Amino acid sequence: AQSVTQLGSHVSVSEGALVLLRCNYSSSVPPYLFWYVQYPNQGLQLLLKYTSAATLVKGINGFEAEFKKSETSFHLTKPSAHMSDAAEYFCAVSETGTYKYIFGTGTRLKVLA
Amino acid sequence: GAGVSQSPSNKVTEKGKDVELRCDPISGHTALYWYRQSLGQGLEFLIYFQGNSAPDKSGLPSDRFSAERTGGSVSTLTIQRTQQEDSAVYLCASSPDLGRNTEAFFGQGTRLTVV
Repeated sequence: AQSVTQLGSHVSVSEGALVLLRCNYSSSVPPYLFWYVQYPNQGLQLLLKYTSAATLVKGINGFEAEFKKSETSFHLTKPSAHMSDAAEYFCAVSETGTYKYIFGTGTRLKVLA
Repeated sequence: GAGVSQSPSNKVTEKGKDVELRCDPISGHTALYWYRQSLGQGLEFLIYFQGNSAPDKSGLPSDRFSAERTGGSVSTLTIQRTQQEDSAVYLCASSPDLGRNTEAFFGQGTRLTVV
């Protein structure tokens, strides 16, 4: 079975600082990986997805993620945090053999002025 | 509508009562998913539909939970004899088809509180 692990349930950064949200996956086959963002009282919105076309994936709102097979990681980064980035971020993997998405437990990002 | 619509947005019910949660997917989307989001627990898969059939209902927590989809569109998640541990946000998502690299579009959820 495939899974994702998000290290750090809460992350705080200063406005303008680098954002780094960690995600490690477990999969015996090439994974399909996703990052979603959830703003307060809203549903989840896709930030970006990895589908093996390129290891560095660029998403919306200046976010990007790099797939590293050797580290089984798919960490999300943004060079400069903005107050509007405050939200909860979820890493997910599409499970082989079924079509359901397996989500991590989420990381709540707080941006300090 | 333009997005996935869920109703009601909030539901407070007494323990032991039945509740129905509704999901209207994006028009033309054949796949539909239900997830449950509890505080600090991430998203827990419940069931997904391809058309009107449910190939994977392995995530339904107990036989008190059931879901159906009619006309390849609207889906209803029913919880019978609700318990306090059922309190959570129930999220519905749809996607154009089933595929490992296909994006799921989420609704805003139904917040269920069992008192």
